Amino acid sequence: NAGVTQTPKFRVLKTGQSMTLLCAQDMNHEYMYWYRQDPGMGLRLIHYSVGEGTTAKGEVPDGYNVSRLKKQNFLLGLESAAPSQTSVYFCATLELGQGDNEQFFGPGTRLTVL
Amino acid sequence: GEDVEQSLFLSVREGDSSVINCTYTDSSSTYLYWYKQEPGAGLQLLTYIFSNMDMKQDQRLTVLLNKKDKHLSLRIADTQTGDSAIYFCAESIYNQGGKLIFGQGTELSVKP
Repeated sequence: NAGVTQTPKFRVLKTGQSMTLLCAQDMNHEYMYWYRQDPGMGLRLIHYSVGEGTTAKGEVPDGYNVSRLKKQNFLLGLESAAPSQTSVYFCATLELGQGDNEQFFGPGTRLTVL
Repeated sequence: GEDVEQSLFLSVREGDSSVINCTYTDSSSTYLYWYKQEPGAGLQLLTYIFSNMDMKQDQRLTVLLNKKDKHLSLRIADTQTGDSAIYFCAESIYNQGGKLIFGQGTELSVKP
């Protein structure tokens, strides 16, 4: 089992370019999350999904869109990248009500916007 | 609103105990977690405590929860150089889709 995977691992964009980050999971979890991590600020929730076909806004949703067309995939889109979106992006999954409600994290995508 | 605070740095000598502290504001937390992040890596769950517990011990790790003061701590006994990392405290809020609110992270430096 691969767990939670993220594609790509690294990316450099120019201001105004668009891109999509892919999160894939093979654990059949219902809940999926996108976070961003910036120095000294911990992780902040961008968007999340409680099931296929659903999405909801987190703390810092502006400038991002998401889609959950298939249960195993959660896509994060940047329509017009800005330098303020330079960050490390983490995807996580959860099966609510199982044990300790642990979120499983992917390895991260390091994005630089010039 | 929801907020989780941690001190940013802690330095200890190898073999000493480390205590990392965290405060939170939301009294409807269900679970409180400690995650470890090594340089360039993702987050690894270390331990957690359910909100109706006061203490949990797991090998070298002891978690203490003071619900009255909304204070959580992680004690690492016999700290090793391999424990050097950033430690994040996080709370899970009841009935909010399982989302986590993270603290800023405490960078633990273990000197030989």
